[in-house]
Amino acid sequence: DAKTTQPPSMDCAEGRAANLPCNHSTISGNEYVYWYRQIHSQGPQYIIHGLKNNETNEMASLIITEDRKSSTLILPHATLRDTAVYYCIVRAYGGATNKLIFGTGTLLAVQP
Amino acid sequence: DTAVSQTPKYLVTQMGNDKSIKCEQNLGHDTMYWYKQDSKKFLKIMFSYNNKELIINETVPNRFSPKSPDKAHLNLHINSLELGDSAVYFCASSQRESGGELFFGEGSRLTVL
Repeated sequence: DAKTTQPPSMDCAEGRAANLPCNHSTISGNEYVYWYRQIHSQGPQYIIHGLKNNETNEMASLIITEDRKSSTLILPHATLRDTAVYYCIVRAYGGATNKLIFGTGTLLAVQP
Repeated sequence: DTAVSQTPKYLVTQMGNDKSIKCEQNLGHDTMYWYKQDSKKFLKIMFSYNNKELIINETVPNRFSPKSPDKAHLNLHINSLELGDSAVYFCASSQRESGGELFFGEGSRLTVL
């Protein structure tokens, strides 16, 4: 079962920052926060992951609260091609299995 | 070159038939997976193989039989297809069994009539 809670949908204007929240209040100390997205009719795509520090890469930034119970994925300048379902997933790193458990995600609609 | 490729992309077949979906990855990864996305868009893991060895089997009916001839290939064979098997099946790979990002294929849409 997914251990995260995300809003079902969000809108964002093209060119503006998209801030996608995720609650993971039961996260364990050895669990990372991963973000994937699925553009319509495509396979899921990895975006970013983090443990407790904020992370940034060429796609997005990940802000994790100090108590690690929630996080925000930031797309700094959303484009129409960023319209997708965004999944926030918590997963232990280095475990015997590598199961990604997907929830229902947030459908981000970037508006022109 | 596509990193994780699946064939066929679309498959329409009758109930009771047997069909296979093939997956290949050229990333040199050790671990491969099959995920199923149903009509409600829930993505669920079915199987995982690490270096040709089955490591995850998520209570999938035994009509589904994965086969990994080598670590670059993971095929999914389905016997006696049922209406409820209609879904999009995604293959994925990761560098190793534990940790690391998963790379997904484009999916194979199976429709059972």
